[in-house]
Amino acid sequence: AQTVTQSQPEMSVQEAETVTLSCTYDTSESNYYLFWYKQPPSRQMILVIRQEAYKQQNATENRFSVNFQKAAKSFSLKISDSQLGDTAMYFCAFTHSGGGADGLTFGKGTHLIIQP
Amino acid sequence: NAGVTQTPKFQVLKTGQSMTLQCAQDMNHEYMSWYRQDPGMGLRLIHYSVGAGITDQGEVPNGYNVSRSTTEDFPLRLLSAAPSQTSVYFCASSYGGMNTEAFFGQGTRLTVV
Repeated sequence: AQTVTQSQPEMSVQEAETVTLSCTYDTSESNYYLFWYKQPPSRQMILVIRQEAYKQQNATENRFSVNFQKAAKSFSLKISDSQLGDTAMYFCAFTHSGGGADGLTFGKGTHLIIQP
Repeated sequence: NAGVTQTPKFQVLKTGQSMTLQCAQDMNHEYMSWYRQDPGMGLRLIHYSVGAGITDQGEVPNGYNVSRSTTEDFPLRLLSAAPSQTSVYFCASSYGGMNTEAFFGQGTRLTVV
């Protein structure tokens, strides 16, 4: 079974700073997908970024980028120029590549607070 | 474009009562799933469906039933509510499996007293 570990329950940074959220996972498979989801106080789950394990290039989406280290089974999220609207819970998630039919395995989340 | 719609948003049940959480999507997605979110636990998969007429169990299926008679709808039934089912429930849909982008509903906060 896959496990996803987020070791930082809460982080707080000043607006405009760069912050990195950590995620490690455990799997015996070689091909899979990794995600970061954002959950603001509204409770809505929003996809931030997606990484396919067979792609060596790290995914980026505007101010959000990942550092994917397949050998180390590490998938960290970097948020550059952080904004007040980035305040949210962030969840790292994993699914294997078999159509993903058995759903996502989530970490316990990191509560990120952006201070003005 | 409504996306994924869950009803109700809040519900209080007494122990032993039954109820159905509704989930509907208008994106013609084949894959739908239900998760529960408990404090400090992240989201855990309850049941999922890869298309109309096909359902399967996830990580925590006990106490819940699902059916998928249409592509659009995927209701979650609590057969006999227990305090351990107090949680926030999310429905999600995606075009393929969960390796594609998943769209989540706004969640249902359920309290069982």
